Amino acid sequence: TQLLEQSPQFLSIQEGENLTVYCNSSSVFSSLQWYRQEPGEGPVLLVTVVTGGEVKKLKRLTFQFGDARKDSSLHITAAQPGDTGLYLCAGADQGAQKLVFGQGTRLTINP
Amino acid sequence: EPEVTQTPSHQVTQMGQEVILRCVPISNHLYFYWYRQILGQKVEFLVSFYNNEISEKSEIFDDQFSVERPDGSNFTLKIRSTKLEDSAMYFCASSEGASGLTYEQYFGPGTRLTVT
Repeated sequence: TQLLEQSPQFLSIQEGENLTVYCNSSSVFSSLQWYRQEPGEGPVLLVTVVTGGEVKKLKRLTFQFGDARKDSSLHITAAQPGDTGLYLCAGADQGAQKLVFGQGTRLTINP
Repeated sequence: EPEVTQTPSHQVTQMGQEVILRCVPISNHLYFYWYRQILGQKVEFLVSFYNNEISEKSEIFDDQFSVERPDGSNFTLKIRSTKLEDSAMYFCASSEGASGLTYEQYFGPGTRLTVT
């Protein structure tokens, strides 16, 4: 069974600070997707990483896929209150169509 | 921007009743999915659907569940004889393809199912 573990589960920091959220597995994934989910809404796709070692940037958000395609990280620079939310990582297996989700990191940015 | 839509947003039903949750995937997408999220828990895969048939399903997707694409736009999840533990948010998703970046799955806003 493929599992994705996210850490930390909860993170509360002050506006302007930097942070990193981790998504780890013992399994290899063909791609990994990061989503953001607001309460009572569906996950919204932020980025997909496909190649081992790949780095993608989305404004102040930097996403990295591990070389072995077993882990990923999300780094936010100069966090803002608008970054507050639940961040989910989800892995796709080449041989399957389902996404395996992590439990999420609930991020709170305090003004 | 194209998006996945779902109806209803909230469905309340009595235990033992049948419910149908509806989804309209993004129009040029070929793969369709249902996921559920019990309150406070992970998003869990239920089923994927391609070329008018189920392509993969989880152990959660037992005989109580069925999916259908009744026309060229809708994708439905039917739950027969609902149980209390079926209470959850149900998300529909769609993707253009099944590999690489075409695999990106886009989610709808969800249907909150409450079984009483």
